[in-house]
Amino acid sequence: GAGVSQSPRYKVAKRGQDVALRCDPISGHVSLFWYQQALGQGPEFLTYFQNEAQLDKSGLPSDRFFAERPEGSVSTLKIQRTQQEDSAVYLCASSTTGARAFFGQGTRLTVV
Amino acid sequence: SQQGEEDPQALSIQEGENATMNCSYKTSINNLQWYRQNSGRGLVHLILIRSNEREKHSGRLRVTLDTSKKSSSLLITASRAADTASYFCATSADQGAQKLVFGQGTRLTINP
Repeated sequence: GAGVSQSPRYKVAKRGQDVALRCDPISGHVSLFWYQQALGQGPEFLTYFQNEAQLDKSGLPSDRFFAERPEGSVSTLKIQRTQQEDSAVYLCASSTTGARAFFGQGTRLTVV
Repeated sequence: SQQGEEDPQALSIQEGENATMNCSYKTSINNLQWYRQNSGRGLVHLILIRSNEREKHSGRLRVTLDTSKKSSSLLITASRAADTASYFCATSADQGAQKLVFGQGTRLTINP
């Protein structure tokens, strides 16, 4: 596609509900990143994939957060038993090796 | 955790004036990047400066990097109303993976 696509754009979840956020990277981009951006803050790194391999998940805040990229293209970030502190914008980015990252528009998650 | 601190947190100037934003960081880097984010939108890459570079220009943008002081500045000349946005610096320690560590951002408002 023309850019990184994320869906849904907005998600409201009740506390305790599971959510799944989808990222379609730019075709051919090997690297894929997930970031979490709280209101008024800069994005914070969550996890990184190179093709289907998850090489770094050091930023995932708890074991309720899980990300996958089974075929090295589309990625899903899953949050189990959502809490209010999970409310944030979740940004996905993709890149070719050694090149700058292209960001999607993000998914705004609100946990009520 | 955030790598850097940006200064000022908020800046309001008149259209046509120059805007300067500063960023400090804590650890060794391979490169530093600046991004723009309009309200509710994704991040747009503006410029990348490598650790062995001191200054870089792109259109109305000028970026400087002082690795001895672990600081960078972004200058936007002849500002326009469309430049109103949040600006983030982001550092990468790795040329390949491009895992980014973002600052808190500067909210820039250009008054017509």
